[in-house]
Amino acid sequence: ETGVTQSPTHLIKTRGQQVTLRCSSQSGHNTVSWYQQALGQGPQFIFQYYREEENGRGNFPPRFSGLQFPNYSSELNVNALELDDSALYLCASSTYRGYISGLAGVPSHNEQFFGPGTRLTVL
Amino acid sequence: GESVGLHLPTLSVQEGDNSIINCAYSNSASDYFIWYKQESGKGPQFIIDIRSNMDKRQGQRVTVLLNKTVKHLSLQIAATQPGDSAVYFCAENTNVEYGNKLVFGAGTILRVKS
Repeated sequence: ETGVTQSPTHLIKTRGQQVTLRCSSQSGHNTVSWYQQALGQGPQFIFQYYREEENGRGNFPPRFSGLQFPNYSSELNVNALELDDSALYLCASSTYRGYISGLAGVPSHNEQFFGPGTRLTVL
Repeated sequence: GESVGLHLPTLSVQEGDNSIINCAYSNSASDYFIWYKQESGKGPQFIIDIRSNMDKRQGQRVTVLLNKTVKHLSLQIAATQPGDSAVYFCAENTNVEYGNKLVFGAGTILRVKS
């Protein structure tokens, strides 16, 4: 187990509704990333949060939004749900350590630890 | 999107045989690659990674090969076991301002026959 937890495990909503998914990062991790995984596909990056601010965003519309809290946990909010939003939503935590010491301009690669996901079904 | 297809390719191997799973990546500027294993009902689990200044890296029973010329990664699993049955994804690391994001390939289903 990675120590990353997500809630709820499963969720069923209807089209047009709003949903909030939650993620608790692994102890000591300061960065949370969210991914959407449609059935039969690889995860797709939604956005990342660091220091309570969005830090990088994938190709998702503004109705996908998020929050990060001082304890580094995070929420993913999706408004005006569409049928195509049905997917497994994965949270991954990592630690941003800045650039590699002695190697100018080379950021450290931060291993991302994934939670079990929230299965969202939109009817 | 960056993932392709609804039908994942499947590799079936006999228990004890070696498995080779292949992946093509898209960004020639990517400098770090990771292989993940995803079992049913679970999130992706890190297996092994490799930086672009290497062409081979070995772990316990696993080896990753990187061919930057043709933008190709492979994962070799030695003496495949039933517990290796899962979906395997390669991922490219792309840096964002204060961290990194992963761009995943489509995945390959590995089925191990006893």
